[in-house]
Amino acid sequence: QAGLAQPPSVSKALRQTATLTCTGNSNNVGYQGAAWLQQFQGHPPKLLSYRNNNRPSGISERFSASRSGNTASLTITGLQPEDEADYYCSAWDNSLSAWVFGRGTKLTVL
Amino acid sequence: QVQLVQSGAEVKKPGASVKLSCRASGYTFSNYFLHWVRQAPGQGLEWVGIITPTTGDTTYAQRFQGRVTLTRDTSTSTVYMELSSLTSDDTAVYYCARENESCDYWGQGTLVTVSS
Repeated sequence: QAGLAQPPSVSKALRQTATLTCTGNSNNVGYQGAAWLQQFQGHPPKLLSYRNNNRPSGISERFSASRSGNTASLTITGLQPEDEADYYCSAWDNSLSAWVFGRGTKLTVL
Repeated sequence: QVQLVQSGAEVKKPGASVKLSCRASGYTFSNYFLHWVRQAPGQGLEWVGIITPTTGDTTYAQRFQGRVTLTRDTSTSTVYMELSSLTSDDTAVYYCARENESCDYWGQGTLVTVSS
């Protein structure tokens, strides 16, 4: 099944801002928006935002999401060492009737 | 609190089948879809399928069609995933996840190892 495109890695300095991107098409990201998940090694994913910029309770305001057309973005401000993780975008694909994921972006905080 | 508790690790031989469970608690089981997602070692997330707890209706990822079966037991708030004709490529951690606009709660994962 088709997936979403994410850069494999992003590196940013401590306290800087990182923007992660996720590109799909009009049947997935462009249709209902994307969700973002954070995953640490050996742990299940954790939902950070859904339908572009809705944050579950308990998620820091440092994490914000947006969408422009078929590309979704996750912006993390004031980077902290604990933000080092893998970040996945996901979306329901209306044409495939399937949930699709990006391959993930490994964020390194320098 | 919402919890999804999955069954323990499994080791299977190629060609065998495996059946995993995911028991939900802390919310009304019938109100939310449940997904299964897997993650091979060092790899990304891959969607397996989804089940509607009220009706048992299912949708599977195309690559698993014919090999995966999702079922549920509403009396115990448990969903099951059975995967057949296992190969080494099926070695992965399998997660169940509740859908509430997106996958907001995840099980702890079950490692399935396929090895001769």
